[in-house]
Amino acid sequence: DAKTTQPPSMDCAEGRAANLPCNHSTISGNEYVYWYRQIHSQGPQYIIHGLKNNETNEMASLIITEDRKSSTLILPHATLRDTAVYYCIVRERTMAQNFVFGPGTRLSVLP
Amino acid sequence: EPEVTQTPSHQVTQMGQEVILRCVPISNHLYFYWYRQILGQKVEFLVSFYNNEISEKSEIFDDQFSVERPDGSNFTLKIRSTKLEDSAMYFCASRYSGQPDEQYFGPGTRLTVT
Repeated sequence: DAKTTQPPSMDCAEGRAANLPCNHSTISGNEYVYWYRQIHSQGPQYIIHGLKNNETNEMASLIITEDRKSSTLILPHATLRDTAVYYCIVRERTMAQNFVFGPGTRLSVLP
Repeated sequence: EPEVTQTPSHQVTQMGQEVILRCVPISNHLYFYWYRQILGQKVEFLVSFYNNEISEKSEIFDDQFSVERPDGSNFTLKIRSTKLEDSAMYFCASRYSGQPDEQYFGPGTRLTVT
């Protein structure tokens, strides 16, 4: 699986958009970008995933660059409850394969 | 919304004792996983399980670990002889067969080995 690079920490003001970057310059054509988050030692929570098109769901938007070497997770209106560690994971969609979690980005949403 | 549940939420045991951590995956899911997270460290994969057998396991998952699906709803992780370094949060996860392939995690069991 391709390696990802994320900033170790970010701050965001409550109510503003949080934009979390992820670099994955060695991504291969059949690898997807997944985002999970972990709120204070709870189990990781799935947020969104994509291959090459931008994706949006009720939680977030995922913007993937045209060359697929980087992506950005956007939380459009961050709340205090969005304070968490956010993980960007790149992997193929295979049947049983586990997720490999890196250190992620610790997002602090400030009042 | 269906959830993965885990019991107990916190387990304290003495070194050398056996522990069983229990998970109830989401009902229509067929792939099951255990991960662990030592305090302050990354979430690490232990094992995946499908069709009543282990699909993949990491080097962490040595002979002292075992998994079982004893009935149609539970998925367990057994540690035969616990060590101090087994102290961690243990997360169970499950996913649907086919697409989508996102894994859904339980709230975790905090294992403390004294």
